[in-house]
Amino acid sequence: EAQVTQNPRYLITVTGKKLTVTCSQNMNHEYMSWYRQDPGLGLRQIYYSMNVEVTDKGDVPEGYKVSRKEKRNFPLILESPSPNQTSLYFCASSFAGIRTEAFFGQGTRLTVV
Amino acid sequence: QKEVEQNSGPLSVPEGAIASLNCTYSDRGSQSFFWYRQYSGKSPELIMFIYSNGDKEDGRFTAQLNKASQYVSLLIRDSQPSDSATYLCAVNHQEYGNKLVFGAGTILRVKS
Repeated sequence: EAQVTQNPRYLITVTGKKLTVTCSQNMNHEYMSWYRQDPGLGLRQIYYSMNVEVTDKGDVPEGYKVSRKEKRNFPLILESPSPNQTSLYFCASSFAGIRTEAFFGQGTRLTVV
Repeated sequence: QKEVEQNSGPLSVPEGAIASLNCTYSDRGSQSFFWYRQYSGKSPELIMFIYSNGDKEDGRFTAQLNKASQYVSLLIRDSQPSDSATYLCAVNHQEYGNKLVFGAGTILRVKS
């Protein structure tokens, strides 16, 4: 089954404690991205990757890091989480050249206290 | 002005009626327009895309694009309670290198 898998689905953590949210896709997609979704603000892109070892900032990259060492994986790293990073996070993937996000992961609800 | 604007709703329609969801965008150079459906607590699901002026139909869904007026709409015919969800409009912003920009979404409630 074609899918984008995120883990964990839910996470409560404390300010400053480094965390990683994993994202994996099994469709051999070149393009992967991370979004956060906040009430009234919609989906905002954090980082995206056009292919292995190629990443770039989206609209709200501050406080986040990513890496793309393998085509299927695109982890999101919060080195020192803060309460304003409490949000719902989505990973997405698609083939390069498709002008939109074709598949989204199930989402990760992160709470930073 | 927001780049992609949607009425947050909720838009309430009776079962069997036509639901009309609207979206306006600011970038005149935008070429690609998308509608996503998002059930509460779930991830967005791509349901329609349109690139040319006019209408595009897919089952009970019709996307309408008017580039001169900078709006795109989604019509849902014979609305069902299962259509109750948040509908997100997304636009490729040519001004920002074809970056995809999402609206905040419109909540649709279909009452049986």
